Amino acid sequence: DARVTQTPRHKVTEMGQEVTMRCQPILGHNTVFWYRQTMMQGLELLAYFRNRAPLDDSGMPKDRFSAEMPDATLATLKIQPSEPRDSAVYFCASGLVLFREGRATDTQYFGPGTRLTVL
Amino acid sequence: KQEVTQIPAALSVPEGENLVLNCSFTDSAIYNLQWFRQDPGKGLTSLLLIQSSQREQTSGRLNASLDKSSGRSTLYIAASQPGDSATYLCAVRPTSGSRLTFGEGTQLTVNP
Repeated sequence: DARVTQTPRHKVTEMGQEVTMRCQPILGHNTVFWYRQTMMQGLELLAYFRNRAPLDDSGMPKDRFSAEMPDATLATLKIQPSEPRDSAVYFCASGLVLFREGRATDTQYFGPGTRLTVL
Repeated sequence: KQEVTQIPAALSVPEGENLVLNCSFTDSAIYNLQWFRQDPGKGLTSLLLIQSSQREQTSGRLNASLDKSSGRSTLYIAASQPGDSATYLCAVRPTSGSRLTFGEGTQLTVNP
């Protein structure tokens, strides 16, 4: 069955290193989301794309984070340089936003997450 | 700014009990509300999505209600089972954009 995949599942790195997380959305979905989950802050939206174009990245610290969709089957989230406070689980989700009768319908499907630890 | 609150933060019940999880939101200008389930170390699974024009949605033993004017939603789980043990999160989508605001979740434990 179709599902969102994320790699790597776990990443341990040292402060200052570059980290790249990858996501393969469900084929045919037109919207991709990046979330971060921590015990302190809960789930936060970092950015999302529709039809590969960034629509909202206001939740992302832009000095060190960048998100891209080089093609419809791949979304990336990069942190450079990484810091210990970036330690979290990063989730990718995809959805199909359709406009029917003037209303949008959408359900988000989440990947398993990348657990990032920055030492 | 939208704020979503879930009560209780944790709940432990014996198997077979019916239970209610609560979600409240401060801005009633929502497009829809979604309930998710998250198992330890896993991603989120969508359970139910209620559009702003709807009052409730049902799926199996789950029933979600929405009272938009009062800023509340409930998730009712009938005849709870140990397999229902997980964290349940609600999230609201605003009338413009797809940015979801999540609650902090209710951690449910169903004891056999």
